[in-house]
Amino acid sequence: ILNVEQSPQSLHVQEGDSTNFTCSFPSSNFYALHWYRWETAKSPEALFVMTLNGDEKKKGRISATLNTKEGYSYLYIKGSQPEDSATYLCAFEYNFNKFYFGSGTKLNVKP
Amino acid sequence: NAGVTQTPKFQVLKTGQSMTLQCAQDMNHNSMYWYRQDPGMGLRLIYYSASEGTTDKGEVPNGYNVSRLNKREFSLRLESAAPSQTSVYFCASSEGSGWETQYFGPGTRLLVL
Repeated sequence: ILNVEQSPQSLHVQEGDSTNFTCSFPSSNFYALHWYRWETAKSPEALFVMTLNGDEKKKGRISATLNTKEGYSYLYIKGSQPEDSATYLCAFEYNFNKFYFGSGTKLNVKP
Repeated sequence: NAGVTQTPKFQVLKTGQSMTLQCAQDMNHNSMYWYRQDPGMGLRLIYYSASEGTTDKGEVPNGYNVSRLNKREFSLRLESAAPSQTSVYFCASSEGSGWETQYFGPGTRLLVL
């Protein structure tokens, strides 16, 4: 069993605040790191796939960084909006088709 | 384009009963996966199939069997359901060429009494 941890477990912010959360994973056997956004009563939807140390990805107000040597990835949301409220999952791909998911960070953005 | 579909949406079973969860994708993906999601835990991989005709165990395969019927369909079978298998089950698919994202179905909520 691989240790993939996300912190914090939950986060409450005001509209307009910027926020970030962490996914930590084993620094060995790295294949890829995936971020997903999961809204209540829906299915997880992909945000980013990160494969190289130092990778940075951006989609609108959401961005992510990757450090494979120390085993962590950060997800940033700039100027949070109520529609950003969701659970954000990271998935550590340690081999082709083999994934360990973190338990997620639940974000609640208050208007 | 329906993406990944799962049936049923919700099922109640008694301990010892069997059932098959169905999953189909219309994206011509090679790889398909079955996960379970329990409160306070991340998605845990039960089985996956890298291509038609192949299947392999994930993190929590005990008590389950799978069939990759063809490229589109990947079913999950519980031969003798136990209360510990009460969970939400998600099917997913991906192209299968490596490092690409997975597309998830809407989930099947299973309650075993």
